[in-house]
Amino acid sequence: AQSVTQLGSHVSVSEGALVLLRCNYSSSVPPYLFWYVQYPNQGLQLLLKYTTGATLVKGINGFEAEFKKSETSFHLTKPSAHMSDAAEYFCAVRAGTYKYIFGTGTRLKVLA
Amino acid sequence: NAGVTQTPKFQVLKTGQSMTLQCAQDMNHEYMSWYRQDPGMGLRLIHYSVGAGITDQGEVPNGYNVSRSTTEDFPLRLLSAAPSQTSVYFCASRMDVETEAFFGQGTRLTVV
Repeated sequence: AQSVTQLGSHVSVSEGALVLLRCNYSSSVPPYLFWYVQYPNQGLQLLLKYTTGATLVKGINGFEAEFKKSETSFHLTKPSAHMSDAAEYFCAVRAGTYKYIFGTGTRLKVLA
Repeated sequence: NAGVTQTPKFQVLKTGQSMTLQCAQDMNHEYMSWYRQDPGMGLRLIHYSVGAGITDQGEVPNGYNVSRSTTEDFPLRLLSAAPSQTSVYFCASRMDVETEAFFGQGTRLTVV
């Protein structure tokens, strides 16, 4: 069965430190993978996506992620955290021809 | 461009009442989905549609009905509300299977 696992429901980093949010997936179809960010009381916004092509993808706000097929992973990174990065982050994977499922989310806290 | 519009934003229901959550998009997207978001559980897919007249079940469809009579609208019906349906509901649409999903602002539903 298709699944998405986000390790760590809460992650805290200091401002300026590396951000690493983990996502592992399983999928029986070619994986299309997305990272979304959710700010309080808002809907989700796209950060970046992987469908085909280059396995290292860059998104908005300095985030990037690398698709590693052998590890079934799509971890999200940012070299230097900013206070404005505090939010909840969701990994999503294609779970069938037309449907997507989401991970349980990782809440990022940035410490001054 | 309004994007994805959900109404109402907030709703309180009594157990056993029925209601319809509205979702409309003006981007001519074929694919639309309903998710519920609960603490620690991420977003779970309720129902989805790949075009007018075509719907299918997601991960947690019980207690919910959908229909898709037009490309623009994808209402979600709660037939007999239960406290377990207290949640935040998000509607999303996408152009095709490889593109990002656009989310509405959510409907916060409380069933007492």
